Amino acid sequence: DAKTTQPNSMESNEEEPVHLPCNHSTISGTDYIHWYRQLPSQGPEYVIHGLTSNVNNRMASLAIAEDRKSSTLILHRATLRDAAVYYCSLNAGNMLTFGGGTRLMVKP
Amino acid sequence: AAGVIQSPRHLIKEKRETATLKCYPIPRHDTVYWYQQGPGQDPQFLISFYEKMQSDKGSIPDRFSAQQFSDYHSELNMSSLELGDSALYFCASSLDEGTIYFGEGSWLTVV
Repeated sequence: DAKTTQPNSMESNEEEPVHLPCNHSTISGTDYIHWYRQLPSQGPEYVIHGLTSNVNNRMASLAIAEDRKSSTLILHRATLRDAAVYYCSLNAGNMLTFGGGTRLMVKP
Repeated sequence: AAGVIQSPRHLIKEKRETATLKCYPIPRHDTVYWYQQGPGQDPQFLISFYEKMQSDKGSIPDRFSAQQFSDYHSELNMSSLELGDSALYFCASSLDEGTIYFGEGSWLTVV
């Protein structure tokens, strides 16, 4: 399985943008980049996904490097409810693997 | 919208007992997944089913088994429980390799 590398933790102030990086240097051409987040004691929640082009939805934006070896999840205005563990995952088929996400702390 | 339903939400069992967790996927979803998340750990993929057939297998112990029934609900059976099986077990479902939606999980405590 292609691996991803994310910082263990990041901190942000409320109302400020947050950029969460993910490295996936061994990504293959058919791997989609998925982002999920997990709030305490809850199941992982879908955030966004993309293949090559940058993507936007109501929750976040996903910026994908031209060589696809890295991506950045962008939360435009962090709120206290965005405090969670954010996972970047690659899936070429129908399975997600979670490993070493980023714990985002949001300060009021 | 209907979500993935898991039951029971909490379960306490003694060592060497058996436990069964149930999962009801989102209606019309064709794939069910099971994940295990130990305390302070990331969710680990156990097993998945597509159209009632096992499709992928992860780090599922031999003491565990799972199946998907004709009504698409799935059950995870865990036997000879060990203390280390204490974890949060998530079921998830998807349609046509689309977005995977997770349930709220079932807490299993083995004492």
